[in-house]
This record gives sequence, structure tokens and C-alpha cells, in this order.
Amino acid sequence: QKEVEQNSGPLSVPEGAIASLNCTYSDRGSQSFFWYRQYSGKSPELIMSIYSNGDKEDGRFTAQLNKASQYVSLLIRDSQPSDSATYLCAVNARDDKIIFGKGTRLHILP
Amino acid sequence: NAGVMQNPRHLVRRRGQEARLRCSPMKGHSHVYWYRQLPEEGLKFMVYLQKENIIDESGMPKERFSAEFPKEGPSILRIQQVVRGDSAAYFCASSHGSPTPYEQYFGPGTRLTVT
Repeated sequence: QKEVEQNSGPLSVPEGAIASLNCTYSDRGSQSFFWYRQYSGKSPELIMSIYSNGDKEDGRFTAQLNKASQYVSLLIRDSQPSDSATYLCAVNARDDKIIFGKGTRLHILP
Repeated sequence: NAGVMQNPRHLVRRRGQEARLRCSPMKGHSHVYWYRQLPEEGLKFMVYLQKENIIDESGMPKERFSAEFPKEGPSILRIQQVVRGDSAAYFCASSHGSPTPYEQYFGPGTRLTVT
């Protein structure tokens, strides 16, 4: 069974601190990894894609990928109240689909 | 705005009626995916289509649900004889197919309520 696992949270982080979101996946053949942000009542928004081992930075966001450990993470620096949302980890399956985790709820404390 | 478009945004149907949900992919995208999301739950894959072809419908119930993506016009998700359990948010996503086939961009969703 191909799965993407995330801690459901909520993860509470003080404003200005670093929020760290984690995700593990089961299919060793996966090559593409994504982080989506979903505000309550809204649709998922793609915020990061990562395809190679290591770190990828985009503004306050850093995605980290470790294929050997089947682990992908998202760091949010200088967390803002507007970052409060559910963050979905997604991983491609071999059959052209992507599989979503159930998401981690992040709450930034003002 | 060249984003993914879905309509209607909200749809109310009585039990036994039909629901038709439409999705126009982002300009230049030829791959369409439909997902269902129940409150406080994750996204559940339903079906993956390319123009005039259903590629994977493994996540779609065999009965009452169908999907199409014709050569011209939007993709349609059709739910016949709706039941209360069909109440959910239905999201459509589209992707380019190449070179980043898995980057999916979502539409605003259709919230279906069955009364």
C-alpha cells in the first residue's frame, strides 16, 4: 500500500519562530515531492516542489528531501499568523498519480 | 485569469437528483484530476483524465459516478442519484504533463450539499 504519512497536529509555533513539518512516504520509486497549503474552506495551493535530495529554498520556505530515509520536510522561517493552515505533503506514485497525506494543521501563535 | 476554473462553486441537490460538476483546466494543461474531500479529512483521488481518455478511475465508485474530458469543453464529473454521503468538496486539478507532469494546480472546488 503506497502511503504518505504526516502528523495531523495541530502544531503550534510562536510567531517569528521556525515551523518544521515532516512527511514520510512508503514508495521508494517516488521521484517528485510537493507541499501544498490549504486554508480552511479553500483549495490546496502548491507552494513547493522538490525532486532531488537536499534542500530547496524559496523565500521563507525550505523543502528538504532525503530519499534514502524516505523523508521530506518543510521549514517555514519567521512564521507569520498568515501561515496558519493545513499543509499537505504529496508524492508521485508510479502510475502518474500523486498521493496526498492527510495534512498537518499549523497554528502560528501571535 | 488562466487558473483552473470550476463551477458551480456551491451546489445543493436533493437525494436522488443528479449533480454535474465542471472543470476547465489551466491554459496549456491537458491532464485533469478529480478529488473529493470530506470535512477534516484528506484529499481522496477519484479519477485522472486526459482529453477524450480516462487514464485511471480507480478511486471513483463504480456506481453512480462518471467522468469525462471531451475534446472540446470542460471536464465533467457526474453523480447520479445523489445520496447524503456524497456531500463533500470536490476539487479538480490540472497539470501540464511535461516536463513536470506531477505539478498539479487546483481549482476553487465545488461544495456539494445533498439534502
